[in-house]
Amino acid sequence: SAVISQKPSRDICQRGTSLTIQCQVDSQVTMMFWYRQQPGQSLTLIATANQGSEATYESGFVIDKFPISRPNLTFSTLTVSNMSPEDSSIYLCSVEAGQYVRYGYTFGSGTRLTVV
Amino acid sequence: GENVEQHPSTLSVQEGDSAVIKCTYSDSASNYFPWYKQELGKGPQLIIDIRSNVGEKKDQRIAVTLNKTAKHFSLHITETQPEDSAVYFCAARKAAGKSTFGDGTTLTVKP
Repeated sequence: SAVISQKPSRDICQRGTSLTIQCQVDSQVTMMFWYRQQPGQSLTLIATANQGSEATYESGFVIDKFPISRPNLTFSTLTVSNMSPEDSSIYLCSVEAGQYVRYGYTFGSGTRLTVV
Repeated sequence: GENVEQHPSTLSVQEGDSAVIKCTYSDSASNYFPWYKQELGKGPQLIIDIRSNVGEKKDQRIAVTLNKTAKHFSLHITETQPEDSAVYFCAARKAAGKSTFGDGTTLTVKP
């Protein structure tokens, strides 16, 4: 299955600033997913990133706050903009597991973000 | 949309005992049900999955059962070990749709 390198692994940021999270996959994948996991809670899908098109955002998430880039089939970035303490969470990227669509996901190790 | 409920939220067992985590889903069109294990400081890892055309699947000490009529599925871990301690998430998905995750179960295996 795919191997995902996600960075940074953690960061402490000042409110009002922005952080860009990078996700590198060792194989070409059609869709990449960005999730948010608040402390002790489940995974909430932020958006789906397809190469060559605009990301598709879930209800409650907007492009101005979480701009996403997908320049090729192995890389994506998520930016958390104009941060506030409420943005403190773990952010995870994921892709379909395996070379062919098998419906399961492989996740990166996550970015633990603290906004102060 | 799909709604997945997971129980219990916390589970503590003695090493060697069995652990069972249960999930229910709402969308009868969901046909793929994976289970993920998340250890502290790591991303979730797919440990087992089951499709709607199968009632049970087993992989060594873990097994998953699916009851399509009742729309529930369960994870069974036998002969638990301390390294099984983690947060477990169930999920449900339609073929071309996104996965909906349960709220997670924190499993603690006491030596």
